[in-house]
Amino acid sequence: QQQVKQSPQSLIVQKGGISIINCAYENTAFDYFPWYQQFPGKGPALLIAIRPDVSEKKEGRFTISFNKSAKQFSLHIMDSQPGDSATYFCAASIVGYSGGGADGLTFGKGTHLIIQP
Amino acid sequence: EAGVTQFPSHSVIEKGQTVTLRCDPISGHDNLYWYRRVMGKEIKFLLHFVKESKQDESGMPNNRFLAERTGGTYSTLKVQPAELEDSGVYFCASSQDRGRKETQYFGPGTRLLVL
Repeated sequence: QQQVKQSPQSLIVQKGGISIINCAYENTAFDYFPWYQQFPGKGPALLIAIRPDVSEKKEGRFTISFNKSAKQFSLHIMDSQPGDSATYFCAASIVGYSGGGADGLTFGKGTHLIIQP
Repeated sequence: EAGVTQFPSHSVIEKGQTVTLRCDPISGHDNLYWYRRVMGKEIKFLLHFVKESKQDESGMPNNRFLAERTGGTYSTLKVQPAELEDSGVYFCASSQDRGRKETQYFGPGTRLLVL
């Protein structure tokens, strides 16, 4: 059973456009929601993260929107640039809980984003 | 400061053989995690070390996988004997403060192909 569902699987956006990636989760115990960015040949790198006590977090061109009642969160990339082309993973975890798999991050399947110049 | 390093970057082995993957975490990071991504699937948690102790190994697929972290520094993940379904990318991550799980820094991964 996949606990974090991510869509779309792939996305093509024109330079300067807005890229939007969506995730939905099942486990209401999740209380930390990071987004990771991965370039080819590299490991995932933390991009931005949010806790459920806020509905939005913005860092530069990257914004996370969080809807606790709908159990959904999304990543918006404003003014998308070719250098943003990468695979993006949403994830969730339970901070402060241990064992039963909770020590690790639960990831979505990833979105392959291509920004066309 | 050096990041998380993993060795080898790629490994191609035949079914039934043994492979050992190595991870060197960021210096001073007590927490070390192993993850695996099978093609087309999500990155899945395998296990978590705090120093040399296994804190959570609930994600380990079966007893063909053995992880160790002797001395609380680098870690190894051994697959013996390897099966076709073990193919994938194995990531290692480390973090300094267990209470802040968000600060997990990932290595570049080891791409394992079992033929």
